[in-house]
Amino acid sequence: DAKTTQPNSMESNEEEPVHLPCNHSTISGTDYIHWYRQLPSQGPEYVIHGLTSNVNNRMASLAIAEDRKSSTLILHRATLRDAAVYYCILRDADSGGSNYKLTFGKGTLLTVNP
Amino acid sequence: EPEVTQTPSHQVTQMGQEVILRCVPISNHLYFYWYRQILGQKVEFLVSFYNNEISEKSEIFDDQFSVERPDGSNFTLKIRSTKLEDSAMYFCASSTRVMSTDTQYFGPGTRLTVL
Repeated sequence: DAKTTQPNSMESNEEEPVHLPCNHSTISGTDYIHWYRQLPSQGPEYVIHGLTSNVNNRMASLAIAEDRKSSTLILHRATLRDAAVYYCILRDADSGGSNYKLTFGKGTLLTVNP
Repeated sequence: EPEVTQTPSHQVTQMGQEVILRCVPISNHLYFYWYRQILGQKVEFLVSFYNNEISEKSEIFDDQFSVERPDGSNFTLKIRSTKLEDSAMYFCASSTRVMSTDTQYFGPGTRLTVL
């Protein structure tokens, strides 16, 4: 699986936007970019995914660089509830039967200050 | 909103004992997974299960581990003879299908403590 690199930690203030970066310089053309998060003492939770175009949903936005070597998860107005570890994960559309698992890295620990 | 549930939330056992961790996946999902997370470490894939068969397993999932779907709703992970290093959070997940665009839904986890 292609590797992703994320900062270990980031800090933000409540009600301000947060931009969480992810580098994936070895991404292949068939890799989808997924974001999950893990709130304290909970299981991982899906946030958003995309391939080439920017994506929006009720939780967040995903901005994908034109060369796809990096992406940014955007939380438009951080709340205390958004404090979590955020994981950027690549999933290959072309991996056939080996596409079952999610491969988690260390992610980015987001702290939200009141 | 449908959710994955897991029981118990916390299991304490003695080394060498067998444990069974239980999960109820989302009802229309067909693919089931177990992951574990040792305290302070990454979430690690253990096994995936589809159509009453293991689809993929990691190196961690050795002969001490087994999975079963004993009925139409439960999905279990059994550890035959627990070791101290099996102490971890165990997460069950399910999805409707296996695709690079599909979402896995995770349960709240079972904390396993091996003494």
